[in-house]
Amino acid sequence: KNQVEQSPQSLIILEGKNCTLQCNYTVSPFSNLRWYKQDTGRGPVSLTIMTFSENTKSNGRYTATLDADTKQSSLHITASQLSDSASYICVLRSGGYNKLIFGAGTRLAVHP
Amino acid sequence: NAGVTQTPKFQVLKTGQSMTLQCAQDMNHNSMYWYRQDPGMGLRLIYYSASEGTTDKGEVPNGYNVSRLNKREFSLRLESAAPSQTSVYFCASSDSLSTDTQYFGPGTRLTVL
Repeated sequence: KNQVEQSPQSLIILEGKNCTLQCNYTVSPFSNLRWYKQDTGRGPVSLTIMTFSENTKSNGRYTATLDADTKQSSLHITASQLSDSASYICVLRSGGYNKLIFGAGTRLAVHP
Repeated sequence: NAGVTQTPKFQVLKTGQSMTLQCAQDMNHNSMYWYRQDPGMGLRLIYYSASEGTTDKGEVPNGYNVSRLNKREFSLRLESAAPSQTSVYFCASSDSLSTDTQYFGPGTRLTVL
């Protein structure tokens, strides 16, 4: 069973609309949770990082939330732009050698 | 700064052929990593190097070898490629093993026929 499950697998929205991506995890304990953005043909780039004690973190139009009780995180994108079209990956850090556990990602397409 | 660079961008091999994927970083980072990314799965760690002169196995090391040539460069070698090694390979680097931010290269798309 995957330790980090993301939903939906893919999503299509219209430009200007908001959307929320979900991440459910079973990793425990963990030191932090990141959301990465991966453009097609590129490597992942870090968007937000939250420690296990934080509830929310924003980066411009991106807002990540973390509920340690339900073991869920979400990434909310406000007023989407065409450039938001990418895969969004939820990543948890666990272990002493910078061990990162990656979700499979949600592929977002923003259409005009 | 170029960040993390990888060569080649694309490669097609026949089963049994060998090749080396190259990675270099210009951020003076101590730690470097090799991942593979397969459809429907998260990135998986193949090998990592905590610092120059050291390498360790990650989650999926079988069929691969690595060399930390110097502080800048970390190569991944496939001695006898198999179709199961068809994947996209990413190199990453970070200040240290205890520093979370890993910076990724653009990836190498490898197909083994």
